[in-house]
Amino acid sequence: NAGVTQTPKFQVLKTGQSMTLQCAQDMNHNSMYWYRQDPGMGLRLIYYSASEGTTDKGEVPNGYNVSRLNKREFSLRLESAAPSQTSVYFCASSLAGGFQETQYFGPGTRLLVL
Amino acid sequence: DQQVKQNSPSLSVQEGRISILNCDYTNSMFDYFLWYKKYPAEGPTFLISISSIKDKNEDGRFTVFLNKSAKHLSLHIVPSQPGDSAVYFCAASEGLPEQTGANNLFFGTGTRLTVIP
Repeated sequence: NAGVTQTPKFQVLKTGQSMTLQCAQDMNHNSMYWYRQDPGMGLRLIYYSASEGTTDKGEVPNGYNVSRLNKREFSLRLESAAPSQTSVYFCASSLAGGFQETQYFGPGTRLLVL
Repeated sequence: DQQVKQNSPSLSVQEGRISILNCDYTNSMFDYFLWYKKYPAEGPTFLISISSIKDKNEDGRFTVFLNKSAKHLSLHIVPSQPGDSAVYFCAASEGLPEQTGANNLFFGTGTRLTVIP
């Protein structure tokens, strides 16, 4: 049982390049989330998907797009990377919707934008 | 503006003693609070939570206290063990989305706990 997996673990991009961060969960959870964590700050919600087929903006959605490909997978896309998007990105999932549920986090993707 | 604040970036405690991690919040609409623990190079893992209808919740060595009037909560770890050394995040939410439209979980900046053997 892998839980929440994220790929890649680490990525270096040049400004303006695009990339997609992949996330998958094998816990049959309905809801999935993308967060970013910056030095000296808490995790901030980028986008979430309460259920398959739905996505909603979180606190810091600008510069990102998401796709809930199926119940298992939730990807985060940077269309034109900027240095301000250098961060550690965490994907999470929970059984049902709502922010009062336990969320299970992946190990993170460390992104450096030069 | 940070709605959930953890003003102590770090804390060191001797093994066997009590660790007290503090968290303050500004939004009076928060009604559910969670603590997550994070080890280096791993994602956060859920530790314990508390609803605003309670003032205390206990799970083994971990107890969370909530003081709504002071908008303050604390996590007590007794006794502290070296394996507890990690970064602890406090998080808060405003309620069920279908009731409040809440669409975010607000995290504090974290407190790094070091338990000295």
